Amino acid sequence: EAQVTQNPRYLITVTGKKLTVTCSQNMNHEYMSWYRQDPGLGLRQIYYSMNVEVTDKGDVPEGYKVSRKEKRNFPLILESPSPNQTSLYFCASSLRTSGWDEQFFGPGTRLTVL
Amino acid sequence: KNQVEQSPQSLIILEGKNCTLQCNYTVSPFSNLRWYKQDTGRGPVSLTIMTFSENTKSNGRYTATLDADTKQSSLHITASQLSDSASYICVVSATSGTYKYIFGTGTRLKVLA
Repeated sequence: EAQVTQNPRYLITVTGKKLTVTCSQNMNHEYMSWYRQDPGLGLRQIYYSMNVEVTDKGDVPEGYKVSRKEKRNFPLILESPSPNQTSLYFCASSLRTSGWDEQFFGPGTRLTVL
Repeated sequence: KNQVEQSPQSLIILEGKNCTLQCNYTVSPFSNLRWYKQDTGRGPVSLTIMTFSENTKSNGRYTATLDADTKQSSLHITASQLSDSASYICVVSATSGTYKYIFGTGTRLKVLA
């Protein structure tokens, strides 16, 4: 089944404890992206990647890191999480970066930073 | 500033009724507009995509319209079902070198039996 998977789905952590949220897609998509969704603000892009070893900042990159060593994986790293990073995170992928290709979203990761 | 605004914020209707959700955008240069459905606790799923040359696009009971002159779009849901209860998100793509997605904050629809 074609899908985007994220792990973990739920995570409660404490301020300053490094964490990684994994994202994997099995559709051979070039484009992958991370978003956070907060009440009243809609989805905001954190980082995106147009292909292996090509990543760029989105609208809200502060406090996050990403890497794209393989085409299928695009992990999101929080080196020192803070309470303002408590949010619902979505990974998405699309075939290309044309803007016309549908973005397929993962199931989401709900992160709470205490 | 690129912006996508949706109205209403929330809506409650009875099963079987029709409803229309609105999306106004100020995005330049405009590439396309997509409507997503997001069930609670799930990722968004695409319903329709339109460019400036398309006025109407349907997907089953969902019909999207686009007026590129007034920069408005609407999503009409016909004969609503309980499973239509979800958030509906309008997303506009801008192209300026690379593609940029601008998301609206969504309309939360509740369909009651």
